[in-house]
Amino acid sequence: AQSVTQLDSQVPVFEEAPVELRCNYSSSVSVYLFWYVQYPNQGLQLLLKYLSGSTLVKGINGFEAEFNKSQTSFHLRKPSVHISDTAEYFCAVSDRYGGATNKLIFGTGTLLAVQP
Amino acid sequence: NAGVTQTPKFRILKIGQSMTLQCTQDMNHNYMYWYRQDPGMGLKLIYYSVGAGITDKGEVPNGYNVSRSTTEDFPLRLELAAPSQTSVYFCASRDTTDTQYFGPGTRLTVL
Repeated sequence: AQSVTQLDSQVPVFEEAPVELRCNYSSSVSVYLFWYVQYPNQGLQLLLKYLSGSTLVKGINGFEAEFNKSQTSFHLRKPSVHISDTAEYFCAVSDRYGGATNKLIFGTGTLLAVQP
Repeated sequence: NAGVTQTPKFRILKIGQSMTLQCTQDMNHNYMYWYRQDPGMGLKLIYYSVGAGITDKGEVPNGYNVSRSTTEDFPLRLELAAPSQTSVYFCASRDTTDTQYFGPGTRLTVL
């Protein structure tokens, strides 16, 4: 079974500063990895995903994440944040070969709070 | 292309009442899911479906029921609402790369 750990429940950062949101996962099988963003009072929106190939994945709104298999991590980064990036960010993992009953396992989320 | 739609957006129930949360997707996805989101707890899977007529329990199914008569619709039924079911409920559908697409959510309060 998979699990996801997002160690930081909240990350305060000033506008235009860089940010890294940490995600570590546990799995005995090959995985797909995802980052979702949830703006206040909205549903979750896919930010980026790693399925295969290059370990550096670029997503929407200038975010990127790097898959590190040896460290079982998938940290999310942005070089310069904006006020509009304030949101909750969820890391998720699924079994690459899970088949029809495959499910996404979510972390508990990290609130990115961008301050002016 | 509307994606995943949910109704209602908000609802207040009294203890013991019942209701159905509606979910519809127009992407022809076979897989659909119901989650609940509580503060600081992430998302918990309630029920899921791998196609019309096929449903199964997730992590927290007690107090809920589902049905899937068509590919598009996946309603969630709450019987005998309890305060512990106060939460935000999200429906999602999934494509062949395991990517899930979420609806805007239903905020439910049980008093």
